[in-house]
Amino acid sequence: AQTVTQSQPEMSVQEAETVTLSCTYDTSESNYYLFWYKQPPSRQMILVIRQEAYKQQNATENRFSVNFQKAAKSFSLKISDSQLGDTAMYFCAFTPYSGNTPLVFGKGTRLSVIA
Amino acid sequence: DAGVTQSPTHLIKTRGQQVTLRCSPISGHKSVSWYQQVLGQGPQFIFQYYEKEERGRGNFPDRFSARQFPNYSSELNVNALLLGDSALYLCASSPLGRGGGSNQPQHFGDGTRLSIL
Repeated sequence: AQTVTQSQPEMSVQEAETVTLSCTYDTSESNYYLFWYKQPPSRQMILVIRQEAYKQQNATENRFSVNFQKAAKSFSLKISDSQLGDTAMYFCAFTPYSGNTPLVFGKGTRLSVIA
Repeated sequence: DAGVTQSPTHLIKTRGQQVTLRCSPISGHKSVSWYQQVLGQGPQFIFQYYEKEERGRGNFPDRFSARQFPNYSSELNVNALLLGDSALYLCASSPLGRGGGSNQPQHFGDGTRLSIL
């Protein structure tokens, strides 16, 4: 069974600083996708960034980047120049490449950006 | 373009009742998935539908059922409600892709908050 672990229940960061959220996963699949989703108090789950396991280059989306370590099964999210609007729950998620398989989520990290 | 829409936004029921939640996917998306998110946890997969057929089911009892209509909208039904069914129910849609959508990011709606008294 695939599992996703987020070991930091809560984190805080000063506005304009950089923060890194951790995620590890367990799978026997060789090809898969990893995602970071953001869930603000408005409840909607918003896709932040995704990484395809067969791509060695780390994904980047503006202020958001990942550090994907396939051998270590680690997928951390770095947020640069943190903004107040980044305050939210962040979920790491996994899905195998093959078949009609659903997302497997971690328990989330609550990030607070402090002015 | 409209995103994934879910209705109602909030629902209060009592134990033993039945509830139906509705979801309209993004235009052109043929795959719909349902997730249950209990307070303080990550979402857990309930069902996935593609082209009106069930393509996956999570570890939920038979009290949970769903269906997808010809216009790709979907309903989630829960019978004999228990206190533990209190949660945010999220619907997600994705476009057709190899594997039925697993290589395409899922887009989520705002969810339905279900409270059981």
